[in-house]
Amino acid sequence: GAVVSQHPSRVICKSGTSVKIECRSLDFQATTMFWYRQFPKQSLMLMATSNEGSKATYEQGVEKDKFLINHASLTLSTLTVTSAHPEDSSFYICSASLKGAAGELFFGEGSRLTVL
Amino acid sequence: KQEVTQIPAALSVPEGENLVLNCSFTDSAIYNLQWFRQDPGKGLTSLLLIQSSQREQTSGRLNASLDKSSGRSTLYIAASQPGDSATYLCAVRADKLIFGTGTRLQVFP
Repeated sequence: GAVVSQHPSRVICKSGTSVKIECRSLDFQATTMFWYRQFPKQSLMLMATSNEGSKATYEQGVEKDKFLINHASLTLSTLTVTSAHPEDSSFYICSASLKGAAGELFFGEGSRLTVL
Repeated sequence: KQEVTQIPAALSVPEGENLVLNCSFTDSAIYNLQWFRQDPGKGLTSLLLIQSSQREQTSGRLNASLDKSSGRSTLYIAASQPGDSATYLCAVRADKLIFGTGTRLQVFP
């Protein structure tokens, strides 16, 4: 099956710093990737849709200046949490579609961010 | 706005029982519905994908059905095992994938 890799899997940072999370589709090209956030014991909430070569589409309530998404190639999307605060501590997961809109979505292993 | 709800929120059963997990969604204009499993602190494992034109999919002890017109899907787990303990998430796909609230399952020996 298709593989999506996320890095880093865990990151701890000080409040005020920026953290970048990478999402790579290893064996297929993904024109669209999705970023999700999951708080403890809650479901996944969609943050934004990332399209290769264009600006990301953010969900209502998600600050685009705080969560910078870049999808520079068909195999890589990055999420940068800028000026991180403790309330940004969460589990961030990316996903990519194998075959366009109706295709199955494959997920990365997730990145756990802890902001001290 | 699409809303996806799962019932029950939590379930604890003895090993060997057959289980039914429910998923309902408010907007039937979907491409497909996917069931996932998530272990604590881990990512997602895709279990079954049902396209909007399909009624059900089966994989081993798992069977998922879809009634798009009524906005419902069920995941049937036969002969449950302790290794099935996890959170089960359904998600519906239109232009984006929206997740349900999840069912936390515990199967005890």
